[in-house]
Amino acid sequence: TQLLEQSPQFLSIQEGENLTVYCNSSSVFSSLQWYRQEPGEGPVLLVTVVTGGEVKKLKRLTFQFGDARKDSSLHITAAQPGDTGLYLCAGGIGGNKLVFGAGTILRVKS
Amino acid sequence: NAGVTQTPKFQVLKTGQSMTLQCAQDMNHNSMYWYRQDPGMGLRLIYYSASEGTTDKGEVPNGYNVSRLNKREFSLRLESAAPSQTSVYFCASSVIQDSEAFFGQGTRLTVV
Repeated sequence: TQLLEQSPQFLSIQEGENLTVYCNSSSVFSSLQWYRQEPGEGPVLLVTVVTGGEVKKLKRLTFQFGDARKDSSLHITAAQPGDTGLYLCAGGIGGNKLVFGAGTILRVKS
Repeated sequence: NAGVTQTPKFQVLKTGQSMTLQCAQDMNHNSMYWYRQDPGMGLRLIYYSASEGTTDKGEVPNGYNVSRLNKREFSLRLESAAPSQTSVYFCASSVIQDSEAFFGQGTRLTVV
């Protein structure tokens, strides 16, 4: 059982559609991070959310941290083929451990 | 800018062989991590090092050992490789626990 549960595991949508990816836990995190990974590469940080209830926007991507700091979501508006990739949430817990969810594979078809 | 450098990029081992994966970072980061990535499992933490001279187990430490040689270098050793250790291995570093983690390009390991 993973500490961070992500859903859905896989998402295939058409260009222009909106989507939301969820990251949930029963544990409280001081912060949560979202990464994007492309094939053959390591993950790259998109955003860090720190405050409960915080909303951050990065162009067409909107990130939200739950009020209780146990969950987060990533919403993409008008998805583009360039958004295709693996999206991972991560959180620091218990003495310098950075743990990741299983990830959501997003495929955007043109 | 080198960032996090992992070697080798690819490796094939026979069951029972040993090997060491090397990782070095040039960003003066305190924390370093080793992860393995398997399909549908995301990144699972093998070992981490909060600072030079300290190492701790992560989620899946069995079959692995690590050495934090100095602030820059953090190696991962497989003493007796098993097919279950076939995976892609990533090294990462960060200033502190909750700060951005920077990843190497990964080592694709196959154990036959």
